Amino acid sequence: GESVGLHLPTLSVQEGDNSIINCAYSNSASDYFIWYKQESGKGPQFIIDIRSNMDKRQGQRVTVLLNKTVKHLSLQIAATQPGDSAVYFCAETAPLNAGNMLTFGGGTRLMVKP
Amino acid sequence: GAGVSQSPSNKVTEKGKDVELRCDPISGHTALYWYRQSLGQGLEFLIYFQGNSAPDKSGLPSDRFSAERTGGSVSTLTIQRTQQEDSAVYLCASSPRQYQETQYFGPGTRLLVL
Repeated sequence: GESVGLHLPTLSVQEGDNSIINCAYSNSASDYFIWYKQESGKGPQFIIDIRSNMDKRQGQRVTVLLNKTVKHLSLQIAATQPGDSAVYFCAETAPLNAGNMLTFGGGTRLMVKP
Repeated sequence: GAGVSQSPSNKVTEKGKDVELRCDPISGHTALYWYRQSLGQGLEFLIYFQGNSAPDKSGLPSDRFSAERTGGSVSTLTIQRTQQEDSAVYLCASSPRQYQETQYFGPGTRLLVL
């Protein structure tokens, strides 16, 4: 079936560097995408979202890029901090997904080295 | 509190017993979702509710799983005759409406079936 997946299961970066987490999706009908951050023992926390009529959206220290041509999504974190260490999930939904059900990728663990 | 709450936070049960997991969505949110997250895995959709409408049960893994939502607010996920493979974190999320609306997650209930 359709799925959302991630290229890198673990990403290790130096504190202060920029981080890029990638996600590939296969459902060409997907039109809404969300990045979540999940710390150990907690539920996923919303970071940023983007709709398919956009190719870039910026938040505080985070930027999401959407390339619909190649069905690729990325999350960029500027000046990565130790508190950014967590597992990051991309999620997508499409008009035919029951009730806006989200399809999640497998997650990428971000480790920030001091 | 302003966020989604879930109870209990942890549940240990014996194989064959029934368990009930509770979710209190954000006040005013009409859509409510249940997901399951196995150890080190992404999130798997289980069921969603939109207001007082009949739920979409397409993600439930077996007929041992059921859920209800009373008064369009609080939801209970019930697992009957629990099996060891039911061990996971059960996450609840809510959103203001249904389509293309960010889902906000609770902290989850960690279920361990011995």
